[in-house]
Amino acid sequence: EADIYQTPRYLVIGTGKKITLECSQTMGHDKMYWYQQDPGMELHLIHYSYGVNSTEKGDLSSESTVSRIRTEHFPLTLESARPSHTSQYLCASSEFGAGDEQYFGPGTRLTVT
Amino acid sequence: EDQVTQSPEALRLQEGESSSLNCSYTVSGLRGLFWYRQDPGKGPEFLFTLYSAGEEKEKERLKATLTKKESFLHITAPKPEDSATYLCAVQGLSRSNYKLTFGKGTLLTVNP
Repeated sequence: EADIYQTPRYLVIGTGKKITLECSQTMGHDKMYWYQQDPGMELHLIHYSYGVNSTEKGDLSSESTVSRIRTEHFPLTLESARPSHTSQYLCASSEFGAGDEQYFGPGTRLTVT
Repeated sequence: EDQVTQSPEALRLQEGESSSLNCSYTVSGLRGLFWYRQDPGKGPEFLFTLYSAGEEKEKERLKATLTKKESFLHITAPKPEDSATYLCAVQGLSRSNYKLTFGKGTLLTVNP
């Protein structure tokens, strides 16, 4: 079973607030990812990282930012939350050079009012 | 652009009634095809990776197969605990090797 953790699991916050979604993994994986998923829809990649100090934007445009200062930690930040940011945010990791299987955390359900 | 289409969108089975889920894909060179299971309110759980046409993998009541244009997830004698959304994703050679393209999934409900 994959050891990847996300906090908080649920967050309800008002418009304009700054939020940080936490993601940590204990598997030593080099690659980490953030996806956004709306009900009944596909997962869309919003950020990824190959390793420490490496971050790139994904396919889906997002106003969020990420950082990768430590291998095990990949937080996502929204400077000013808006109702359009309401979604499920999923963090994943995979081992560099392996079969590219991505292992997912439990997700954070964000609601911006 | 890589594309994944899953069918049916939803499937309701009686316990013990075997069936198959379909994943049709378009990629310019397949690096890998992945199946995941997702329970409500949780992250996807990895099931299988398939790399080349003709490959098959099994896990308990699930068997995944792959052709050059589609993959099937066969469910034999399903139980209520198999109820979940099953996601298919592909990784194409034409894109950076980390990116997966996901389908919308098939919602499977198994009634006792």
